[in-house]
Amino acid sequence: EVQVLESGGGLVQPGGSLRLSCAASGFTFSTYAMNWVRQAPGKGLEWVSGISGSGGHTYYADSVKGRFTISRDDSKNTLYLQMISLRAEDTAVYYCATAGSDSFYSHIDYWGQGTLVTVSS
Amino acid sequence: DIVMTQSPDSLAVSLGERATINCKSSQSVLYNSNNKNYLAWYQQKSGQPPKLLIYWASTRESGVPDRFSGSGSGTDFTLTISSLQAEDVAVYYCQQYYSIPFTFGPGTKVDIK
Repeated sequence: EVQVLESGGGLVQPGGSLRLSCAASGFTFSTYAMNWVRQAPGKGLEWVSGISGSGGHTYYADSVKGRFTISRDDSKNTLYLQMISLRAEDTAVYYCATAGSDSFYSHIDYWGQGTLVTVSS
Repeated sequence: DIVMTQSPDSLAVSLGERATINCKSSQSVLYNSNNKNYLAWYQQKSGQPPKLLIYWASTRESGVPDRFSGSGSGTDFTLTISSLQAEDVAVYYCQQYYSIPFTFGPGTKVDIK
C-alpha cells in the first residue's frame, strides 16, 4: 500500500525558514517523480514544486522560485521542501504527492494527509 | 502559464441524478505525439486530501466507481457523475500536467439538492 507522510509544518514568523519532509513507502520511491502541492485555508489547490525520479530536474511555481528548494534522498525514501523567506501568503496545508508514472509530466497519484504551515507574527 | 477555469462554481443535484462539471484550459493540453490529453480530475471531500478520479482526460483510476466519467479533448473537458450518491458531496478540481507550472481549476462544489 502506497503511503506518504508529511512532517515539519508549524508556526513560523515572516521571513523565517522551515523544512518539510515526506516519508514514502509502498512503492519504488526512486523511480517516481514527486510533487508538493499546497492549499491555503478555504482556497483551492496550488502546485508548488516537483522533482524528477532521478532528482536531476527540479521545477517551481513562480510564487516560490528562489525561496523554496525541493530535494529527495532516495536512500531514505524521503522528499524534502526547504522554505526560506516565508511570507504570510505561504500559509497553507502542504501536501506531498506522488506522480502517477515515471514521467514528471504525469497526473498526481497519491496524496499525503498534509502538514500545515502558518506564517504569522 | 495555462489557466484552468471550471463551471459552474457550485451545483446541487438530487440523489440519483446526473452532475456535469466543465473545465476549460487557456491552451490545448493535447500532446500530438501520443494523442493524449494531459488533464486529470480530483475529488476532495471536506477535511481530506484530494483523491485522483480521472487521468488522461478519460481514464478512470482503479477503484473509482464507474458512475464517474471524463470526456473532452484539446481545451474543453467534462466530468460527469451519472447518478449522484450522497458520498459524492465534495469539491472537484481539474488539473493540467501538460506544462510547468501544473495548474488547477478553481474547483466546483457539488451538493445534494
